[in-house]
Amino acid sequence: NAGVTQTPKFQVLKTGQSMTLQCAQDMNHEYMSWYRQDPGMGLRLIHYSVGAGITDQGEVPNGYNVSRSTTEDFPLRLLSAAPSQTSVYFCASSYSAEPNSPLHFGNGTRLTVT
Amino acid sequence: GDSVTQMEGPVTLSEEAFLTINCTYTATGYPSLFWYVQYPGEGLQLLLKATKADDKGSNKGFEATYRKETTSFHLEKGSVQVSDSAVYFCALGGGYSTLTFGKGTMLLVSP
Repeated sequence: NAGVTQTPKFQVLKTGQSMTLQCAQDMNHEYMSWYRQDPGMGLRLIHYSVGAGITDQGEVPNGYNVSRSTTEDFPLRLLSAAPSQTSVYFCASSYSAEPNSPLHFGNGTRLTVT
Repeated sequence: GDSVTQMEGPVTLSEEAFLTINCTYTATGYPSLFWYVQYPGEGLQLLLKATKADDKGSNKGFEATYRKETTSFHLEKGSVQVSDSAVYFCALGGGYSTLTFGKGTMLLVSP
């Protein structure tokens, strides 16, 4: 069972570069989301999706774009990286919005922007 | 808006000690409450949950009770093990299967 797969595991970018963090799930989950984890801040929601073609902003969306062309994939794009985007990024998925359907998390991408 | 406050760590305990990690929340309505655990180098895993007031969630010896009157969801375990060393996150459920997390509490258990 692959679950939620995030690539790459580590990435170093220079300020102003762009990149895409990949997230794929093989559980046919409709709901997917991106969080960033910073020391002393917990996890904060960046963007989320309730199904293919539908995305919305979370708590900290600035500087990030997302799209959801398929049920399986939910990439996160940084168009012009900034040092403030140095963080660990987690993708999560869920079968439904019901509380009995827990979130499944990937193992994260550690991004450093210099 | 919704928010979660949990005790700051690290919490340092000896093996077989009793564990309490406090969590309180602010939310409109009656959200579901969760505890997630993160082991080093890994993503978060659901530890336990409670969906309504007075519900008790439990798993692997951990338990937490949804207290509406005190807006709390404290995590407890009677006897911790070295393998319980991890970061613990309290969270409340939002719309569309999203979560609002606390800042996390690191637990360090020594033999």
